[in-house]
Amino acid sequence: DVKVTQSSRYLVKRTGEKVFLECVQDMDHENMFWYRQDPGLGLRLIYFSYDVKMKEKGDIPEGYSVSREKKERFSLILESASTNQTSMYLCASSLWDEQFFGPGTRLTVL
Amino acid sequence: QKEVEQNSGPLSVPEGAIASLNCTYSDRGSQSFFWYRQYSGKSPELIMFIYSNGDKEDGRFTAQLNKASQYVSLLIRDSQPSDSATYLCAVNVGMNAGNMLTFGGGTRLMVKP
Repeated sequence: DVKVTQSSRYLVKRTGEKVFLECVQDMDHENMFWYRQDPGLGLRLIYFSYDVKMKEKGDIPEGYSVSREKKERFSLILESASTNQTSMYLCASSLWDEQFFGPGTRLTVL
Repeated sequence: QKEVEQNSGPLSVPEGAIASLNCTYSDRGSQSFFWYRQYSGKSPELIMFIYSNGDKEDGRFTAQLNKASQYVSLLIRDSQPSDSATYLCAVNVGMNAGNMLTFGGGTRLMVKP
């Protein structure tokens, strides 16, 4: 079975803090994705990566950056957290187009 | 116009009935179609995928694809209260999309005992 893990299930940060969300997959998948999910807005793609050190912007990249130094790990960085970044963050990985999700991190920015 | 559309619901069905969930998409070049189930507070879980026109059955679940009409549906037979969740339709929207999926907003299903 594919396993995608995320570093925290719940996280509380203060406005202006730098926040790191980590995602690790154990199936040697090429592709990794970061989404955020908000009520009424559905799943929105922030960034994705199709190879080590490669990244592409998704629909809502503003205020975020990513890092993929190793194939199994994809990090999402909030350079200066703001209250409007309070959300559920979901990481996914895929070999082709079938995506497998991690458990999610519910981030609250105060 | 959204690329992948679903009725947000809630869709309420009695236990034991058939639940029918529908999804339409706008890009005729779409190649592959997925159904995810998401329980409240949890992450999406893949339950079905379909690539070809017609029906695909897996246990109590049947996915139906009609590319000419640009819709995909999910039927859940003998619905159980444990099927109560939000169901997300996802589509690989075309040849240039790589491995990206576009998700619909989801349909909330409630199965009443």
